[in-house]
Amino acid sequence: EVHLVESGGGLVQPGGSLRLSCAASGFTVSSTYMSWVRQAPGKGLEWVSVIYTDGSTYYADSVKGRLTISRDNSKNTLFLQINSLRAEDTAVYYCARVVGGSSQYFDYWGQGTEVTVSS
Amino acid sequence: SYVLTQPPSVSVAPGKTARITCGGNNIGSKSVHWYQQKPGQAPVLVIYYDNDRPSGIPERFSGSNSGNTATLTISRVEAGDEADYYCQVWDSSSDHEVVFGGGTKLTVL
Repeated sequence: EVHLVESGGGLVQPGGSLRLSCAASGFTVSSTYMSWVRQAPGKGLEWVSVIYTDGSTYYADSVKGRLTISRDNSKNTLFLQINSLRAEDTAVYYCARVVGGSSQYFDYWGQGTEVTVSS
Repeated sequence: SYVLTQPPSVSVAPGKTARITCGGNNIGSKSVHWYQQKPGQAPVLVIYYDNDRPSGIPERFSGSNSGNTATLTISRVEAGDEADYYCQVWDSSSDHEVVFGGGTKLTVL
């Protein structure tokens, strides 16, 4: 059974950094595409980043340069490093498994980890 | 970047049919995917590739996509269908960007 469990969220001061983790089970992270999607309080879903099986990465324009997606194949875990945190980064961050093909969609999601940026 | 437009809210009586639209420029040329999100929960995929249902999703959920509008249709609406619904496309021409609609709150009267 596929399972995704995020961790690493919390309260951080503006300008700080955070590394989010997403532990996967039931499949191999390195053999599929994986993404992070975030949701600000009371707002809609916002795609953040994707990592492909060949290791290539892509980011939303709103976070480019401050976020880094990566994975640890030995731990079957996905990561999101967030630097220079801003108030607008406050959100629940979900990791999701991507089904690729002629399009891309998310078939499994974690329960999310909450990030609050505030002084 | 590509923009998807959804109505903020749709209301429907139990047993009736709900239709949630997702507008985008020539969206009919793209594949559209739909998610259901209940309060405090992660999104759940309900429709992929315009009109395919994942296992476990009732046949009451269906989708269509043509021209500038994609539609999620929920037949015989139940109280448990009350949730936020999001459409999504993948824009391979725009740095592999995934785009979500703003979401529609479905209220069951």
